[in-house]
Amino acid sequence: ETGVTQTPRHLVMGMTNKKSLKCEQHLGHNAMYWYKQSAKKPLELMFVYSLEERVENNSVPSRFSPECPNSSHLFLHLHTLQPEDSALYLCASSQNRLMNTGELFFGEGSRLTVL
Amino acid sequence: AQKITQTQPGMFVQEKEAVTLDCTYDTSDPSYGLFWYKQPSSGEMIFLIYQGSYDQQNATEGRYSLNFQKARKSANLVISASQLGDSAMYFCAMREGSSGYSTLTFGKGTMLLVSP
Repeated sequence: ETGVTQTPRHLVMGMTNKKSLKCEQHLGHNAMYWYKQSAKKPLELMFVYSLEERVENNSVPSRFSPECPNSSHLFLHLHTLQPEDSALYLCASSQNRLMNTGELFFGEGSRLTVL
Repeated sequence: AQKITQTQPGMFVQEKEAVTLDCTYDTSDPSYGLFWYKQPSSGEMIFLIYQGSYDQQNATEGRYSLNFQKARKSANLVISASQLGDSAMYFCAMREGSSGYSTLTFGKGTMLLVSP
């Protein structure tokens, strides 16, 4: 069982819906990340939180809204999405925001389909 | 320009044979780290191996080894004695910088299929 848990694993939503993706890490890490994985494209970093403070936002559209209530939980709130937002959304955590040799620990992802 | 290039969209190998997955990178930072991740069909990205830019020796982790050629800016992953369970997507990634904040930049990946 992975130390990073994502729910739901699959989500289908219409363009006018509002939904949220949830990520929980049980590793005692201080930094959490959202990545987007689209077909035939490299993983794209969306947001980074370190000690519950957002440290990076890679020009992500405002229809994606992250929330990090504590160092163990990370949410991605979704509203008025577009079909091109359909992708696998991966959550990851790391020991701290300075990664050095430390790797990212990923969840299994939430497969999002926007109709 | 892409920072991480994986030129092989797909690779086929027979069980028990060795396979090399290519990765080249582009950075002007003298301090960087290179990572390989495996992504099976379940979706989870699994860390395999790490190589630091100042490491003198090639990294090894069990059946995985990283062929690090700094002058060529390549960091190829070698899997020895392939197993059926090795069938997955493989991603090369790079972290730049040694202080402050840094994240990983990923390549597009290589799909590896291991046949009996």
